[in-house]
Amino acid sequence: DQQVKQNSPSLSVQEGRISILNCDYTNSMFDYFLWYKKYPAEGPTFLISISSIKDKNEDGRFTVFLNKSAKHLSLHIVPSQPGDSAVYFCAASEDDMRFGAGTRLTVKP
Amino acid sequence: NAGVTQTPKFQVLKTGQSMTLQCAQDMNHNSMYWYRQDPGMGLRLIYYSASEGTTDKGEVPNGYNVSRLNKREFSLRLESAAPSQTSVYFCASRKGGGPGAWGTEAFFGQGTRLTVV
Repeated sequence: DQQVKQNSPSLSVQEGRISILNCDYTNSMFDYFLWYKKYPAEGPTFLISISSIKDKNEDGRFTVFLNKSAKHLSLHIVPSQPGDSAVYFCAASEDDMRFGAGTRLTVKP
Repeated sequence: NAGVTQTPKFQVLKTGQSMTLQCAQDMNHNSMYWYRQDPGMGLRLIYYSASEGTTDKGEVPNGYNVSRLNKREFSLRLESAAPSQTSVYFCASRKGGGPGAWGTEAFFGQGTRLTVV
């Protein structure tokens, strides 16, 4: 059972515009939600996280929004830069950590 | 600054062979994880160890066993490799240590690319 879902396999945006990546989850017991970025042939690297008791967390160009009632979170990147091109994974965490299938973001110059 | 070290980086096995993937972290983390990454499937949790002395099944544990040898090391064993286990395997660790720590970031190794023929 896939408890974390990213339904968009890919997203393409223009440099300087906003990128919005979406994620849904099914298990209401998750305490934290995290976003990771992954380049080919490397392990994922952490971007930003949010506690289940908050609805927004911001770190520079990256903002994560959490809608608990809808079991939905999103990552906003503003402004998008070509170096942001990568695969983005959302994850949901208790003592384990479950990942979605990922969204490949391409930022075009 | 080694972080999380996985060995080997590449491996080719014949069906039925066994092998152990090694993972070590030098950050004094409590929690360690094994994932596999397959195209279109994202990262799927195989097994994890929330703290030294404990291990639990994840989403896809069949065909695998793990050992939390000590706080630093968490190994993944394939007893009888099958072509369906061809994948990229990632080990990760994070501070963990209790519910308040489940939002801390995990650090990943570089991955082991395993091919079973």
